[in-house]
Amino acid sequence: DIQMTQSPSSVSASVGDRVTITCRASLGISSWLAWFQQKPGKAPKLLISAASSLQSGVPSRFSGSGSGTDFTLTISSLQPEDFATYYCQQTNSFPWTFGQGTKVEIK
Amino acid sequence: EVQLVESGGGLVQPGGSLRLSCAASGFTFSNYAMHWVRQAPGKGLEYVSGIVSNGGSTYYANSVKGRFTISRDNSKNTLYLQMGSLRVEDMAVYYCARGNTALGYWGQGTLVTVSS
Repeated sequence: DIQMTQSPSSVSASVGDRVTITCRASLGISSWLAWFQQKPGKAPKLLISAASSLQSGVPSRFSGSGSGTDFTLTISSLQPEDFATYYCQQTNSFPWTFGQGTKVEIK
Repeated sequence: EVQLVESGGGLVQPGGSLRLSCAASGFTFSNYAMHWVRQAPGKGLEYVSGIVSNGGSTYYANSVKGRFTISRDNSKNTLYLQMGSLRVEDMAVYYCARGNTALGYWGQGTLVTVSS
């Protein structure tokens, strides 16, 4: 199975900060990578698919980049509603494994 | 509007069995691969199983292989997860999700508790 490693596991940031989360795959996955946001007690929400394709309705402050084994999710200016846990997931090969998550907390 | 509604969760003893269902509406069910993802209390997301649109291929995480079976009934727009030989570590909220290349829609989840 492909292992997905996210870093950092948590980050403390203030409103307006730029936040970057990285995700590394144990094998090359081309651009088959998705990013999710999850708030407590809620189902995950797809933010980005195919490494950089922003889903409809997702604010443009979110962006994704990368290919192969190294990927990045960037929030350009953190807003109060962005405090949540973020997960990457590879969809290159089954099983579609997730990273361990990155919790974005209020500083 | 796409809707996915899970059911069938509950309390089961270790070694027991349970069948989860996911009722789909608002889209052509037979066009999409479907998946189960779980989340243990306070933990991250874990991919459990997937099934292609026509049911011809199925996939499992190593942690559930041989114990869980995914299936679908395209005439009933319903996805299933038959879970057997349940362990304490299978306790989690189980979500069904839709997606051919990414999990774009999720249900609200159903809680499975494994305890004696």
